[in-house]
Amino acid sequence: EPEVTQTPSHQVTQMGQEVILRCVPISNHLYFYWYRQILGQKVEFLVSFYNNEISEKSEIFDDQFSVERPDGSNFTLKIRSTKLEDSAMYFCASSGTGVNGYTFGSGTRLTVV
Amino acid sequence: KNEVEQSPQNLTAQEGEFITINCSYSVGISALHWLQQHPGGGIVSLFMLSSGKKKHGRLIATINIQEKHSSLHITASHPRDSAVYICAVPGAQKLVFGQGTRLTINP
Repeated sequence: EPEVTQTPSHQVTQMGQEVILRCVPISNHLYFYWYRQILGQKVEFLVSFYNNEISEKSEIFDDQFSVERPDGSNFTLKIRSTKLEDSAMYFCASSGTGVNGYTFGSGTRLTVV
Repeated sequence: KNEVEQSPQNLTAQEGEFITINCSYSVGISALHWLQQHPGGGIVSLFMLSSGKKKHGRLIATINIQEKHSSLHITASHPRDSAVYICAVPGAQKLVFGQGTRLTINP
């Protein structure tokens, strides 16, 4: 069964450093998403991406965040200057039909120290 | 904005028991997702349903669109079912998640 692949599975970074989280969505999917889950809290929406542009973003997705689809297969989330409160599990998801058909990646656990 | 509430937040049961987890939402939707999150953190999609009932092995999901309510049932529960179960509903270009139900099945 097709999978959404995320790398790395765990990243530790120093406060103020830039990180790039990578995702390979399912190849024929058109909609891409990033979510995050702070430990002990519910999963929160960050951003959705369709047709090479952001279609919706949350209040969390401020200027320190950016997304890119640099080639036909990868979908990246960049955090420019990490803060302690960015420590969370970050999930990528993709869908072929919008919100009604989702596949999640296994997540990247980001720890900012 | 859709509010999603799950109950109970935590559930501990003995192996073999019948489990029910509930999900209510505030705004009408086209479909609802049930997801499973294991201790390692990864999320797996269990069901997407828009009406009636779906069954997959020992898992059964039901939805009542008029009541804005869905339930996830597990028959003959097993310790390997221990996980966090999350319902999520569509909201524009995203999913809105419930807070999850932590299920522990003891042998």
